[in-house]
Amino acid sequence: DARVTQTPRHKVTEMGQEVTMRCQPILGHNTVFWYRQTMMQGLELLAYFRNRAPLDDSGMPKDRFSAEMPDATLATLKIQPSEPRDSAVYFCASPERETGFGEQFFGPGTRLTVL
Amino acid sequence: LAKTTQPISMDSYEGQEVNITCSHNNIATNDYITWYQQFPSQGPRFIIQGYKTKVTNEVASLFIPADRKSSTLSLPRVSLSDTAVYYCLVGDNAGNNRKLIWGLGTSLAVNP
Repeated sequence: DARVTQTPRHKVTEMGQEVTMRCQPILGHNTVFWYRQTMMQGLELLAYFRNRAPLDDSGMPKDRFSAEMPDATLATLKIQPSEPRDSAVYFCASPERETGFGEQFFGPGTRLTVL
Repeated sequence: LAKTTQPISMDSYEGQEVNITCSHNNIATNDYITWYQQFPSQGPRFIIQGYKTKVTNEVASLFIPADRKSSTLSLPRVSLSDTAVYYCLVGDNAGNNRKLIWGLGTSLAVNP
């Protein structure tokens, strides 16, 4: 069963704390997207990796957010320090093709609440 | 960047056909049209993709007129389990997934 997995599924933290979210893309998929979803903004693309290299992270607040892909089976999104406005659901996705507008497979998301 | 416009919400009843229309006036020649479905507490799930005319799969049909400035997702005989948010996206097929704009989607409520 090829799926994208994400951990943790839920995270509640206090303002100022560091938060790390993890994503395991579908084996063999070399591209990973990180999205943030809120009621007001909908789904926003934060960062985009291919073959572990960042291709576009223009949607990500640089001062507090960082994204990495240390190996082909793990992508991480870190927020330090976290703020209440970061409360959202964070999804990662891996598309069926490295290029092109193919189907994206989404993980279940990490619901982050920053108090 | 191609932007899409969809109704915020729609209501329907079990057994009816539901058509959700999306406007994309600035669609480019290389752009494809894709629809996703999202249930609460889940990530979006791919439904269907097309370039022109009509595409049909086991769950939906996608109608695209000749000028491609709009598209219509058709869900035949909806059931309660089709209650979800539906997103229309346009994007080219040349490695530019990062330029997709998702928006807020259409919230479909299917009533008994």
